[in-house]
Amino acid sequence: SAVISQKPSRDICQRGTSLTIQCQVDSQVTMMFWYRQQPGQSLTLIATANQGSEATYESGFVIDKFPISRPNLTFSTLTVSNMSPEDSSIYLCSAGQGINQPQHFGDGTRLSIL
Amino acid sequence: KQEVTQIPAALSVPEGENLVLNCSFTDSAIYNLQWFRQDPGKGLTSLLLIQSSQREQTSGRLNASLDKSSGRSTLYIAASQPGDSATYLCAVGPNSGYALNFGKGTSLLVTP
Repeated sequence: SAVISQKPSRDICQRGTSLTIQCQVDSQVTMMFWYRQQPGQSLTLIATANQGSEATYESGFVIDKFPISRPNLTFSTLTVSNMSPEDSSIYLCSAGQGINQPQHFGDGTRLSIL
Repeated sequence: KQEVTQIPAALSVPEGENLVLNCSFTDSAIYNLQWFRQDPGKGLTSLLLIQSSQREQTSGRLNASLDKSSGRSTLYIAASQPGDSATYLCAVGPNSGYALNFGKGTSLLVTP
């Protein structure tokens, strides 16, 4: 199964700043996704990262707030822009080879905004 | 909109017990269902994936069943061990797209 590495693993940021989270997969994958896990809640999909084209965002998430890049089949980034305390969450990257295959997750980025 | 519910929210059992975790979903038009475990401070580890055409999957002491028509899945853990302590998440894959819909999880504590 794919091994997924996320950086940073955690960060504490100031209100109004932006942070870019990196996700590296050890093999080429078809699909990459970004999820958010707010305190005490389950995972919510932010967007699907599409290689070579704009990401597909879920309802309630917009590109200006969460720009995503996917330059190739092994790497993606998520930026959390103009952060506020409400953005304090765990952000997780996942990857899969297709609808018949399991999704695998990174360890997540624990983000706190002061 | 697909709603995924997991019962119980928390469970504490003594070591050695067999246990069942429950997952229900409102829309039976699913492609697959996946069970994960999440350890504190960690990401998700995939445990079992059941395709919609399958009834169950087994891996070691874990057995997951799926009844798509009734919108239910169960994860059976045999002979539980303290190392099984974690949060167990159920996630449903829809017919369209690849994104998973997650339940809130069952927090399991297995005491020695």
